[in-house]
Amino acid sequence: ETGVTQSPTHLIKTRGQQVTLRCSSQSGHNTVSWYQQALGQGPQFIFQYYREEENGRGNFPPRFSGLQFPNYSSELNVNALELDDSALYLCASSLEQRGVPTDTQYFGPGTRLTVL
Amino acid sequence: AQTVTQSQPEMSVQEAETVTLSCTYDTSESDYYLFWYKQPPSRQMILVIRQEAYKQQNATENRFSVNFQKAAKSFSLKISDSQLGDAAMYFCAYRSPSGGSNYKLTFGKGTLLTVNP
Repeated sequence: ETGVTQSPTHLIKTRGQQVTLRCSSQSGHNTVSWYQQALGQGPQFIFQYYREEENGRGNFPPRFSGLQFPNYSSELNVNALELDDSALYLCASSLEQRGVPTDTQYFGPGTRLTVL
Repeated sequence: AQTVTQSQPEMSVQEAETVTLSCTYDTSESDYYLFWYKQPPSRQMILVIRQEAYKQQNATENRFSVNFQKAAKSFSLKISDSQLGDAAMYFCAYRSPSGGSNYKLTFGKGTLLTVNP
């Protein structure tokens, strides 16, 4: 069973640029959630995709957008980067079914984004 | 909105001893899920233990156990026979039940655990 993978591991961008982060879900999982973890803080929920549709969004501006593909891999796109976007970005996958007790989210190793 | 509070920014324990990490949460829901995740310096968030609110029995996983007090909205993690590999940041997390809401996790700010040899 393949775990959750993310790419790239590290990324350095300058303010105003755009960035795309990628996540490959664990085999058999249909849901991907993205989290932003600032230094010394707990992860904050950005948004979630369930069967290729957005299934909830946290308190993040529209310049944070995402996609989930038929193979359930996912992308997080951030436009017009700001200094405060510097953080560890985590994705987590799970197998969810409506009306069925929740499954556990399994995390990838994260992408460290630095905005200069 | 649900909130999760970890009141201990840092804790330390001697190797082979027992340590308890605290977590409280606020919710108006009656059914939910609670988790403890461990994040070592490698950054990978690893599930330690999970508790369903409808279960009265406290979850255990080898050296890890929880004390779940639903009325008090408390969910502490006990680590027995601490090992050097247990050193990490520990996060308590809350999740709403499926059906109607999304599946997001709400995290506390974490407790940094140091294990002294």
